[in-house]
Amino acid sequence: GQQVMQIPQYQHVQEGEDFTTYCNSSTTLSNIQWYKQRPGGHPVFLIQLVKSGEVKKQKRLTFQFGEAKKNSSLHITATQTTDVGTYFCAGPHGSSNTGKLIFGQGTTLQVKP
Amino acid sequence: DTGVSQDPRHKITKRGQNVTFRCDPISEHNRLYWYRQTLGQGPEFLTYFQNEAQLEKSRLLSDRFSAERPKGSFSTLEIQRTEQGDSAMYLCASSPQQGNTIYFGEGSWLTVV
Repeated sequence: GQQVMQIPQYQHVQEGEDFTTYCNSSTTLSNIQWYKQRPGGHPVFLIQLVKSGEVKKQKRLTFQFGEAKKNSSLHITATQTTDVGTYFCAGPHGSSNTGKLIFGQGTTLQVKP
Repeated sequence: DTGVSQDPRHKITKRGQNVTFRCDPISEHNRLYWYRQTLGQGPEFLTYFQNEAQLEKSRLLSDRFSAERPKGSFSTLEIQRTEQGDSAMYLCASSPQQGNTIYFGEGSWLTVV
């Protein structure tokens, strides 16, 4: 069945270092979304990418959607302790245009001050 | 607060008991979703409503699970004869008619002992 995979599962960085998480889908996606979940919290929507090769930035966060629309990445420049949490990518299930999403298993980021 | 709200936030129950969770979506959203999340995993889709109609159910939703959205506003998720494997966070989310970005509530943690 359709799968979304993320690597790495965990990442520990020193504050100020960069961080990247990668997301790969077994199928071509119409769009991809990223969510952040703080420890003990719930997933919070960050961004959606729709176009092939699209790059979007939110302050220190850079999101990229692959040319084939099967992979994506999230890069954080100069991490801060506020970046701690688990980052999930998610794509629509099949050709659904609803909120029926398939999530990756997430990358948990720990930042040492 | 006009976000998605869920109640109760935490529930501890004995195996075999029934539990019910309630979700109030963002008021202008007509789509409502239930997801389940276990430790170390991303959210998994359970079911989806458009207004009061339940349009899709995952195979994860066994016959012990039932969800309703009687007036197209709030929703309930009932689990009958709970099992230890039901222990998880049950997340409700909502979205507007167009698009597939979803907005999660804070979740309801269920522990079955």
